[in-house]
Amino acid sequence: DTGVSQDPRHKITKRGQNVTFRCDPISEHNRLYWYRQTLGQGPEFLTYFQNEAQLEKSRLLSDRFSAERPKGSFSTLEIQRTEQGDSAMYLCASSPTRGLATNEKLFFGSGTQLSVL
Amino acid sequence: RKEVEQDPGPFNVPEGATVAFNCTYSNSASQSFFWYRQDCRKEPKLLMSVYSSGNEDGRFTAQLNRASQYISLLIRDSKLSDSATYLCVVNTGGGADGLTFGKGTHLIIQP
Repeated sequence: DTGVSQDPRHKITKRGQNVTFRCDPISEHNRLYWYRQTLGQGPEFLTYFQNEAQLEKSRLLSDRFSAERPKGSFSTLEIQRTEQGDSAMYLCASSPTRGLATNEKLFFGSGTQLSVL
Repeated sequence: RKEVEQDPGPFNVPEGATVAFNCTYSNSASQSFFWYRQDCRKEPKLLMSVYSSGNEDGRFTAQLNRASQYISLLIRDSKLSDSATYLCVVNTGGGADGLTFGKGTHLIIQP
């Protein structure tokens, strides 16, 4: 098992373009999370899947953002009509936790660094 | 008041010294607590959970003070490789978005 993998590592795009990122969690981890992190800040929660079901979305997540996890394995995060404010590191994490969410321990991928010009 | 607050630092500490930093949280219903470590341009990695009775892992000791709503991390005999940002994480139990990260404390160990 090689851990959580994310692709691409870096993405440069022009404002208004759509981008899609992929995350492959650790095998058999049923929970998958997307976070966003900007310089000097901690990771900020975006959305969360339990298997293929998207259970929660941050109130901060605009309609331009959509995430899927169609077969309960890998996930994609799409940003439509990108804006300069979308520039950030997008982190994916997975968790093996099957019990209470309060015991969540996250395993992060290396992230996708998005730059919107 | 922010949910999870940390002194951003940087803390500049000579190698071999002991360093400690705190993290305060605002939600008294918070149920679990963690320290994550993040190296420059890398992903966060779980360092340790924080238990009510306090816990130790090698040179690292974590403590929780529920009355004053803070957790602490103490590093003894600091190594150059301890240089990183330490993120405090608090879970309020309100679902996945109840897992809140602090901004992190930047630690620099100097030779």
